[in-house]
Amino acid sequence: AQKVTQAQTEISVVEKEDVTLDCVYETRDTTYYLFWYKQPPSGELVFLIRRNSFDEQNEISGRYSWNFQKSTSSFNFTITASQVVDSAVYFCALKTNAGKSTFGDGTTLTVKP
Amino acid sequence: KAGVTQTPRYLIKTRGQQVTLSCSPISGHRSVSWYQQTPGQGLQFLFEYFSETQRNKGNFPGRFSGRQFSNSRSEMNVSTLELGDSALYLCASSRDTFDEQFFGPGTRLTVL
Repeated sequence: AQKVTQAQTEISVVEKEDVTLDCVYETRDTTYYLFWYKQPPSGELVFLIRRNSFDEQNEISGRYSWNFQKSTSSFNFTITASQVVDSAVYFCALKTNAGKSTFGDGTTLTVKP
Repeated sequence: KAGVTQTPRYLIKTRGQQVTLSCSPISGHRSVSWYQQTPGQGLQFLFEYFSETQRNKGNFPGRFSGRQFSNSRSEMNVSTLELGDSALYLCASSRDTFDEQFFGPGTRLTVL
């Protein structure tokens, strides 16, 4: 069985604060893919990043960065200097070699001006 | 490049009826996946089609079915609707199973 846990249901920060969204996954497969998606208010899910299980390099894209640690089965997402436009629901997802997708329950991020 | 389109955007049905939802993927994408999104259960994977074949299936009853056509367009069917089927149904397309998915706006189904 596979599982994705996003323990933080809601996070509220003030603009320009840094914020980290946690994602912990469970799978017995050795080959798998991890994803982060963003769902803005009344908007469509938007892809942010994909990582495969063999690539533990951290990644930075502008104000976004991702920390993948297989030892703790975590794939955390950090937004630096948050902005109001970052307000959204963020989903972490796991896809194993079998191809089935499992999404976390999502973390609602509110960035206040 | 046109995004993923879903029709209709909104549907109201009554219990016992059946419904068909449609999804047109991004051109060149052969994989189409369907998800059910509800406040209580979150995003649940229904199934994935690739080149007209069902590749993967989630844990939903047989009332939920789908198909994919040769042009990669996909339809999802729900028979004998129940109140609990009220949800946002999302379609996502990708080039292949493990590539990033592009989501459509969803079809909001309300079962009365």
